Amino acid sequence: GAGVSQSPSNKVTEKGKDVELRCDPISGHTALYWYRQSLGQGLEFLIYFQGNSAPDKSGLPSDRFSAERTGGSVSTLTIQRTQQEDSAVYLCASSFQGRRGYGYTFGSGTRLTVV
Amino acid sequence: GQQLNQSPQSMFIQEGEDVSMNCTSSSIFNTWLWYKQDPGEGPVLLIALYKAGELTSNGRLTAQFGITRKDSFLNISASIPSDVGIYFCAGQLSSGANNLFFGTGTRLTVIP
Repeated sequence: GAGVSQSPSNKVTEKGKDVELRCDPISGHTALYWYRQSLGQGLEFLIYFQGNSAPDKSGLPSDRFSAERTGGSVSTLTIQRTQQEDSAVYLCASSFQGRRGYGYTFGSGTRLTVV
Repeated sequence: GQQLNQSPQSMFIQEGEDVSMNCTSSSIFNTWLWYKQDPGEGPVLLIALYKAGELTSNGRLTAQFGITRKDSFLNISASIPSDVGIYFCAGQLSSGANNLFFGTGTRLTVIP
């Protein structure tokens, strides 16, 4: 597609439920990133995928968070047993290569609210 | 993670005024970037800087990569209403780093 597509755009879930957030990167982009943006805060790095390499999971805040990237394209971020502190905007970005920030294109994000 | 201190947190200015914001870090960065985020959207890249001392312009925007490699500033000249939004600095520790570290943002309001 023309840009990075994220779905859903908004998600309200009950505490303790699992949620899945989806990211469709720009076609041909080999690198994919997930970031989390809490209210009034900057973006917090979560996970990075580059081609067929093992993902960099160093930013995942707990083992309740996991992500997959199938076929080198679509990625799903899963949060298990959601907590209220998980409420945030989850942003996905993709780029041709994983080494230069100028190549990032961000999606519009998924606003997650845990009640 | 790395701490990027961005200031000011918010600004209210009159249309036509110039704006300046800056970002400092305790670590040396290889790359400095400035993004703008509109409501309900993801950040969009404004300017990228790759060398210490580099001064780069993009229309009414000018940004500089500090000599110490621990700071950067962004200037907006002759502000217009569409400049409203949140501006983020971001830094990359090395050319091989997988991720960017972001500042907490400067919320800009332009009063017509």
